[in-house]
Amino acid sequence: KNQVEQSPQSLIILEGKNCTLQCNYTVSPFSNLRWYKQDTGRGPVSLTIMTFSENTKSNGRYTATLDADTKQSSLHITASQLSDSASYICVVELNTNAGKSTFGDGTTLTVKP
Amino acid sequence: DTEVTQTPKHLVMGMTNKKSLKCEQHMGHRAMYWYKQKAKKPPELMFVYSYEKLSINESVPSRFSPECPNSSLLNLHLHALQPEDSALYLCASSRGQGPRTEAFFGQGTRLTVV
Repeated sequence: KNQVEQSPQSLIILEGKNCTLQCNYTVSPFSNLRWYKQDTGRGPVSLTIMTFSENTKSNGRYTATLDADTKQSSLHITASQLSDSASYICVVELNTNAGKSTFGDGTTLTVKP
Repeated sequence: DTEVTQTPKHLVMGMTNKKSLKCEQHMGHRAMYWYKQKAKKPPELMFVYSYEKLSINESVPSRFSPECPNSSLLNLHLHALQPEDSALYLCASSRGQGPRTEAFFGQGTRLTVV
């Protein structure tokens, strides 16, 4: 069982609609939680990063939330665009000198016109 | 320059071939990474170099051999691969190896082993 679980596995929405992706984690010791966007066949690009004490972070139409008590995070996308079609990966970065990270399996988002 | 450049973009190789994947960054980052990513799966860490020394090897088979000739370059030498090694190979770099250092990913090399 992955220590970083994302839901849903895939999602289809119409252009202009909002959506929310979920990430629950059990891995520790927690340092940061980062959301990446990965277009098909390309490398992931960081969208947001949050530490233990931050509970919301925005990057344009992307807003991430973090509840460190319940170990849950969400990524909210507002007014979706066709270019938002991608895989969204939740990554928990560990508070160790090795700086290792645990990746979620990702949510595949498809935005249709 | 905030790019991590990987070459080639695509590679098809036979099981008896020897090939190399290359990765380059000029951001002054001192940590560099190789990841393997299968379709619809997250990237899996293979190797980490910190200050040009191998710091993490995630029990990767010896048919994959990393090399860090200098602080800007990272190679992955491939020999006697299997078809199941076909995947997207991603290189990443970060300022350091500690927490809260953002990893910048390259575009990846799509490898097909035939």
